[in-house]
Amino acid sequence: AQSVTQLDSQVPVFEEAPVELRCNYSSSVSVYLFWYVQYPNQGLQLLLKYLSGSTLVKGINGFEAEFNKSQTSFHLRKPSVHISDTAEYFCAVSDQTGANNLFFGTGTRLTVIP
Amino acid sequence: KAGVTQTPRYLIKTRGQQVTLSCSPISGHRSVSWYQQTPGQGLQFLFEYFSETQRNKGNFPGRFSGRQFSNSRSEMNVSTLELGDSALYLCASSLAPDTHYGYTFGSGTRLTVV
Repeated sequence: AQSVTQLDSQVPVFEEAPVELRCNYSSSVSVYLFWYVQYPNQGLQLLLKYLSGSTLVKGINGFEAEFNKSQTSFHLRKPSVHISDTAEYFCAVSDQTGANNLFFGTGTRLTVIP
Repeated sequence: KAGVTQTPRYLIKTRGQQVTLSCSPISGHRSVSWYQQTPGQGLQFLFEYFSETQRNKGNFPGRFSGRQFSNSRSEMNVSTLELGDSALYLCASSLAPDTHYGYTFGSGTRLTVV
């Protein structure tokens, strides 16, 4: 089975500063990796996904993530955050066998300070 | 196009009752999955349906069940409600049962058991 660890439960950052949200995964098979964002009282929105190929993945809203197989990591980054980026961010993993379920991390609450 | 629609948005039930939640996927999406989100356990996979068949099931008791109709709409049912069933229930749809297609989530149904 797969598992995901999001190392920081809360990350405060000043507006226009860079941010990195950390994610490590564990799996004995090849995986797909995802980052989702959840705004208050809403569902999850896909930010980006890694399926194969280039290890640097660009997503929506200026976010990007880098897949590092040797470190089993998939950290999310943004060079300059906005107030509107305040939300909960979830890293998720699934295996490549065709099973259609995601294993989620516990989430990181990003708070952008004006 | 319309997103994933979940009804109702909010629900209050009493212990011992049963509840049915509904999910209408994006038009053309044939795979529907359900997740439970709680502060203590985070996001956990309940089950996944494709072509009216349950393909995958998470580690939940038999009180949790679901079904999918020929138009891909799905319902989940929880019988004999317990206080611990209070949660946000999220439905997600995708084109086909493989995570690389990516999920689109609904806004969820918030169930409160009193």
